[in-house]
Amino acid sequence: DAEITQSPRHKITETGRQVTLACHQTWNHNNMFWYRQDLGHGLRLIHYSYGVQDTNKGEVSDGYSVSRSNTEDLPLTLESAASSQTSVYFCASSRRRENTGELFFGEGSRLTVL
Amino acid sequence: GQSLEQPSEVTAVEGAIVQINCTYQTSGFYGLSWYQQHDGGAPTFLSYNALDGLEETGRFSSFLSRSDSYGYLLLQELQMKDSASYFCAVPNQAGTALIFGKGTTLSVSS
Repeated sequence: DAEITQSPRHKITETGRQVTLACHQTWNHNNMFWYRQDLGHGLRLIHYSYGVQDTNKGEVSDGYSVSRSNTEDLPLTLESAASSQTSVYFCASSRRRENTGELFFGEGSRLTVL
Repeated sequence: GQSLEQPSEVTAVEGAIVQINCTYQTSGFYGLSWYQQHDGGAPTFLSYNALDGLEETGRFSSFLSRSDSYGYLLLQELQMKDSASYFCAVPNQAGTALIFGKGTTLSVSS
């Protein structure tokens, strides 16, 4: 079955370290998204991509970067982790650019920055 | 910009009907989506309304009124497993990505 997987599922790191969260989907979806979820804030959009070499900033992109070198993967990098980036991170994908109603989410990556 | 408002918590008993409202402000409207998320799990898609009216899918229905910038999710014959958070979402101004509300936590008791 096609799926979307995130790794690691749990990570603890220290302030100032670089962290990369992986996202891999096997649906061959062009559109991929990264959200963070914090209590009281719901899901907030970090970055998204509509295809290889395409990346776009979301609502809360400061301190994060993404790259899209193939259709399947959209890794999220925190260049210098901060305690404010402690959160649960969700990757998602969708079939068509114009159909933004249905997203398929991964199981999430819980990041703690000490 | 965009904003979505939904109640933070709703409680109900098994077998009851509950309605979760969502009002939105957006400069370009494409449709209203609803997602369910169980504690510790991934959000899962429930419904999408692009046009006014009621869409029914089993025990869940979703309604949209574009003139009122308002929608709701209706859950009937509530079961304990319906205890979860429910999020409404609309596309951003460019229609390129979804923006989510802060979520409504539904607690179903026996």
